[in-house]
Amino acid sequence: AQSVTQLGSHVSVSEGALVLLRCNYSSSVPPYLFWYVQYPNQGLQLLLKYTTGATLVKGINGFEAEFKKSETSFHLTKPSAHMSDAAEYFCAVSSNSGYALNFGKGTSLLVTP
Amino acid sequence: EAGVTQFPSHSVIEKGQTVTLRCDPISGHDNLYWYRRVMGKEIKFLLHFVKESKQDESGMPNNRFLAERTGGTYSTLKVQPAELEDSGVYFCASSQVSGFGRARLFFGSGTQLSVL
Repeated sequence: AQSVTQLGSHVSVSEGALVLLRCNYSSSVPPYLFWYVQYPNQGLQLLLKYTTGATLVKGINGFEAEFKKSETSFHLTKPSAHMSDAAEYFCAVSSNSGYALNFGKGTSLLVTP
Repeated sequence: EAGVTQFPSHSVIEKGQTVTLRCDPISGHDNLYWYRRVMGKEIKFLLHFVKESKQDESGMPNNRFLAERTGGTYSTLKVQPAELEDSGVYFCASSQVSGFGRARLFFGSGTQLSVL
């Protein structure tokens, strides 16, 4: 079954520093990978997704992720953190059926001044 | 355009009681999904409706959970009788299309269910 593992339940960065949130996947078929973000008291929002084609995917709010098949990874990065980036981030992979998403446990990002 | 709406936002009930959660998807979205996050664990898929039909209910934990989507509009998720392990955040999502990588899911802000 398709699954993802997010390394680090909490990550803290300084404002202006690089953001790196790690996600590794396990999949028996070429994966469709997603990053979602949840701000306090809001629903999950799609940041970006990888289906096929270019392995470097750009998303909203300056985030990007690179699909690396050899490393089975799909890490999320942002060059310079803003205070507004503080949220919980979820990596997900399409299930076998294609209709469901299998999520990781989430990583809470704290941005300090 | 209104987003996915869920209510109540919070519900506190006692073990053995019944609770009904409601989800109003984005207008025109035929696909509706329920997910659940138990504290400290992953967000887990529960089921998927296409219009009023259940496309996939493989994630439903047991027969104490009943989901309906009458008329293909809003959906309800009933838990009867509720158990302690049912506590968590229940998310609803909707999309226009479905299938591998094509669907863009829009999520509601969830219902926090606490069973005491």
